[in-house]
Amino acid sequence: DQQVKQNSPSLSVQEGRISILNCDYTNSMFDYFLWYKKYPAEGPTFLISISSIKDKNEDGRFTVFLNKSAKHLSLHIVPSQPGDSAVYFCAASSSGSARQLTFGSGTQLTVLP
Amino acid sequence: DTEVTQTPKHLVMGMTNKKSLKCEQHMGHRAMYWYKQKAKKPPELMFVYSYEKLSINESVPSRFSPECPNSSLLNLHLHALQPEDSALYLCASSQTPGQNEQYFGPGTRLTVT
Repeated sequence: DQQVKQNSPSLSVQEGRISILNCDYTNSMFDYFLWYKKYPAEGPTFLISISSIKDKNEDGRFTVFLNKSAKHLSLHIVPSQPGDSAVYFCAASSSGSARQLTFGSGTQLTVLP
Repeated sequence: DTEVTQTPKHLVMGMTNKKSLKCEQHMGHRAMYWYKQKAKKPPELMFVYSYEKLSINESVPSRFSPECPNSSLLNLHLHALQPEDSALYLCASSQTPGQNEQYFGPGTRLTVT
């Protein structure tokens, strides 16, 4: 039973355009959400997070949107750069799970020059 | 210093071998984690150490034995592994057990022959 789902295994975007990565969750106890980026042969790198008391968090080119009623979050990258090409994992946690992270299956983003 | 280091980067071992994976962080973090990641899958939590004590074991087989000698070090002792244990083993840390943001090391690519 996947509690965090990333339904798009891959996404290709032209350099300079917007990349939108999506994530859905089923566990209503999740109250904190994170995005990680992973290059091959490296560990995941923390990108940005959002608490369930907010619906938007922005950090430079990265913005995360949370729609609690739809149990959906998205990561927007504007403008996209070739260096953004990586696998992006969505993760979620709840205080009831001792803040363990539950990861989605990842989306491979390719930014084309 | 926001780095989590892991050694070795690659490890090949036979099913009768005993080996250890090492993880180190000098960020003063008091929670450390071991994850296992198979190809094209998300990281799966194995163990959590909180203040140098094992707090979570996600029903991991006893052929994996974690150890936390001090607040900066985390080991994973391996014995009598199976070929299906081949994977990327990731170490992570967070400032406290209750903090959401975890920082990952680059991982150890383990192959069991």
